Amino acid sequence: AQSVTQLDSHVSVSEGTPVLLRCNYSSSYSPSLFWYVQHPNKGLQLLLKYTSAATLVKGINGFEAEFKKSETSFHLTKPSAHMSDAAEYFCVVRIMNSGYSTLTFGKGTMLLVSP
Amino acid sequence: DGGITQSPKYLFRKEGQNVTLSCEQNLNHDAMYWYRQDPGQGLRLIYYSQIVNDFQKGDIAEGYSVSREKKESFPLTVTSAQKNPTAFYLCASSGNSGSTDTQYFGPGTRLTVL
Repeated sequence: AQSVTQLDSHVSVSEGTPVLLRCNYSSSYSPSLFWYVQHPNKGLQLLLKYTSAATLVKGINGFEAEFKKSETSFHLTKPSAHMSDAAEYFCVVRIMNSGYSTLTFGKGTMLLVSP
Repeated sequence: DGGITQSPKYLFRKEGQNVTLSCEQNLNHDAMYWYRQDPGQGLRLIYYSQIVNDFQKGDIAEGYSVSREKKESFPLTVTSAQKNPTAFYLCASSGNSGSTDTQYFGPGTRLTVL
């Protein structure tokens, strides 16, 4: 079965320092993976996605993620955090089931950014 | 503007009452989805629909019902059989049921059952 595990429920950084949000996946075949961001009481916004093309994926707002098959990881990074990055981040794997695709979400990582 | 709308943003109901949450999209997407979000649990799939007049149960369908009479609309009814209905509900849509399409989310409805 396909699943994702977000290794940290909360990550705290200072503004201007690097961000690392960790995600490991489990999949019996080459997965499609996504990172979404959610600001308080809002819907989810797609940051980036990996669909078996380049292993280093660049997304919006300076975020990027690297697909590492040997480590079954898809960690999200950003070189320098901004206050506006404070939000909850979800790592997501796409599941194919009888020709239909659905998403399975990690439990989320809350990113806290201090001045 | 193209997008997904959910209404209302906040909804309060008494225990034992059925309530219907609205989801409309003007993106011409074939597939639509309903998720429930609880603190610390991520999103869990309730129902999804790939085409009009067809839908499938997700991981936590018990106590919920849906209909898909129009391509643009996918309302979710939270019935009195749902034991713990208070949650944040998110609707999403995608272009097709294939393996490459991205899901786009509405702003959500926060349901509180008193």
